Amino acid sequence: QVQLVQSGAEVKKPGASVKVSCRASGYNYNNYVITWVRQAPGQGLEWMGWNNAYNGNTKYAQQFQGRVNMTIDTSTSTAYMELTSPRSDDTAVYFCAALSRGVFDPWGQGTLVTVSS
Amino acid sequence: DIQMTQSPTSLPASVGDRVTITCRASQTISTYLNWYQQKPGSAPKLLISAASSLQRGVPSRFSGSGSGTDFTLTISSLQPEDFATYYCQQSYGSSYTFGPGTKLEIK
Repeated sequence: QVQLVQSGAEVKKPGASVKVSCRASGYNYNNYVITWVRQAPGQGLEWMGWNNAYNGNTKYAQQFQGRVNMTIDTSTSTAYMELTSPRSDDTAVYFCAALSRGVFDPWGQGTLVTVSS
Repeated sequence: DIQMTQSPTSLPASVGDRVTITCRASQTISTYLNWYQQKPGSAPKLLISAASSLQRGVPSRFSGSGSGTDFTLTISSLQPEDFATYYCQQSYGSSYTFGPGTKLEIK
């Protein structure tokens, strides 16, 4: 059974990069695409981008271009999402999910990132 | 970018009610439309893909329909565990967007 397990909560000061991990079990990352979605407190879901482990291609939502870097380490079946120079309004729960034919399934449990001075 | 809207934003309902949530895309997306259920403190769960394809293990009281720009999610007889927030998501092309969500609340 496919499972995605994310790293624990982070507290960061504004401007200090944050990196969230997403480890897969039950399948081989080599053939999968991982996508990232965030949810600010009390708000809806916001798609951030995806990273294709097979060919290394990435696609970022326009509002995150230049601020986010998504990578995958296939040797450890772990995907990473790094947000550079975060601001207080980047405080959110960050989710990873497997992406296939436009469908997000399954999801990781989420990682709370708090950006505060 | 394709924008998604949902209505209503909030839907008070009772156990046993039949409810319908509407999702609209800013341009035609064929049937590239998925529905998710999210409960507080949990990750979203995929209910329906490709507008009307019910995922394995999802109760048959859930159904989806639509194509082009207008879509609906229907729950035929609400159960206590269905009170949650529902999101539509378009998957047309390589960029994706979610609707703002509909919160199904106990009346």
